[in-house]
Amino acid sequence: QQQVKQSPQSLIVQKGGISIINCAYENTAFDYFPWYQQFPGKGPALLIAIRPDVSEKKEGRFTISFNKSAKQFSLHIMDSQPGDSATYFCAASMHGTDKLIFGTGTRLQVFP
Amino acid sequence: DGGITQSPKYLFRKEGQNVTLSCEQNLNHDAMYWYRQDPGQGLRLIYYSQIVNDFQKGDIAEGYSVSREKKESFPLTVTSAQKNPTAFYLCASSPLETYEQYFGPGTRLTVT
Repeated sequence: QQQVKQSPQSLIVQKGGISIINCAYENTAFDYFPWYQQFPGKGPALLIAIRPDVSEKKEGRFTISFNKSAKQFSLHIMDSQPGDSATYFCAASMHGTDKLIFGTGTRLQVFP
Repeated sequence: DGGITQSPKYLFRKEGQNVTLSCEQNLNHDAMYWYRQDPGQGLRLIYYSQIVNDFQKGDIAEGYSVSREKKESFPLTVTSAQKNPTAFYLCASSPLETYEQYFGPGTRLTVT
């Protein structure tokens, strides 16, 4: 119940295309869903986050779509660029725990 | 220049030796975390601390120890009891009762 399942494990997209990464969870007590971006040899950086009271949040080319009934959320990267090539992690947390449960990561490669 | 520093970036040790990884933050965050990252397994929580002189075990605490004597410092000791210590170790911090965790650049530990 504490797991966050992330797919795909790796993703290859052409420059200008849309990258889509999916995550699913079981615990309905989760109330915060962030996405982190990590470049090789660096620490993850918070990219965008959503709470379950909204179905979509957009920041620039990055959009989180949230489906509460299906217990799924996804990251969409529009107009993908080679500089977006990184590993992306979804995560979830619940009020009062101060802990994040991370997915296993998706390695995105964007080719020119 | 605010942030989280981890040192050293690379660390090599012989099997059977204890080793301490440094983590310092000047963000005035109350909570601090240690994660271990292995290929294909995402980030796994080792220990976390929400207040000075107090800390809790995460999901994989066996073979590790921590201390929190100062708000800005949260060192992690990898003991000889840790069966497979070679990994990338990440430290993070967050303001209390928020979910936003900020990560340091990581320390890559290799034990031979």
